[in-house]
Amino acid sequence: DIVMTQSPDSLAVSLGERATINCKSSQTILYSSSNKNYLAWYQQKPGQPPKLLIYWASTRESGVPDRFSGSGSGTDFTLTISSLQAEDVALYYCQQYYTTASGFGQGTRVEIK
Amino acid sequence: VQLQESGPGLVKPSETLSLTCTVSGYSISSGYFWGWLRQPPGKGLEWIGTIYHGGSTYYNPSLKSRVTISMDTSKNQFSLKVISVTAADTAVYYCATGVMTLAASPGPFNFWGQGTLVTVSS
Repeated sequence: DIVMTQSPDSLAVSLGERATINCKSSQTILYSSSNKNYLAWYQQKPGQPPKLLIYWASTRESGVPDRFSGSGSGTDFTLTISSLQAEDVALYYCQQYYTTASGFGQGTRVEIK
Repeated sequence: VQLQESGPGLVKPSETLSLTCTVSGYSISSGYFWGWLRQPPGKGLEWIGTIYHGGSTYYNPSLKSRVTISMDTSKNQFSLKVISVTAADTAVYYCATGVMTLAASPGPFNFWGQGTLVTVSS
């Protein structure tokens, strides 16, 4: 099984500042024949289902603000919120879909400092 | 695509948990994949299993012996059964779907139901 580990577990960032969340997979999730990383990021607010933000490690889902960006390759990935807004307070999860047995990171809570 | 979970909110220990996901706006026999996930209170997301539009199923190895996912194309629904439940199965259960990749494997989950809380208690 591929294990996904996020860091930190939580972070507090001032409004307008940058928030960075890391995600590490226990083995590569880069599919060499397509050169695509099978990595997605989700945002979950209280009482709501997760919302897809990023897929293929760096492609924003339609309608997602451009302050959200994804980067990384192989086993190390990053979700960056370039200028934190109040509505970005949420839990964030990474997910690998490289294997049919999909797996998620443990989540990172983002709060306002 | 819209998804809606339904089923009992309370199940007794050792009994069977049964949930249905009703899909609107898309035929489940077309090209998407259909999944079940859960989230225990205050904890993270766990993938339970996936059924492809053709009917093939894949399960989380940690749950495989207790889980069955099936689909009813005539009702545009897919279902989850978990046998021999314990308190550890208490969670919000989500159904979700997404597009298959060009490699014919499931992509990310683009669409989610609102979730339904299932409590296992006597």
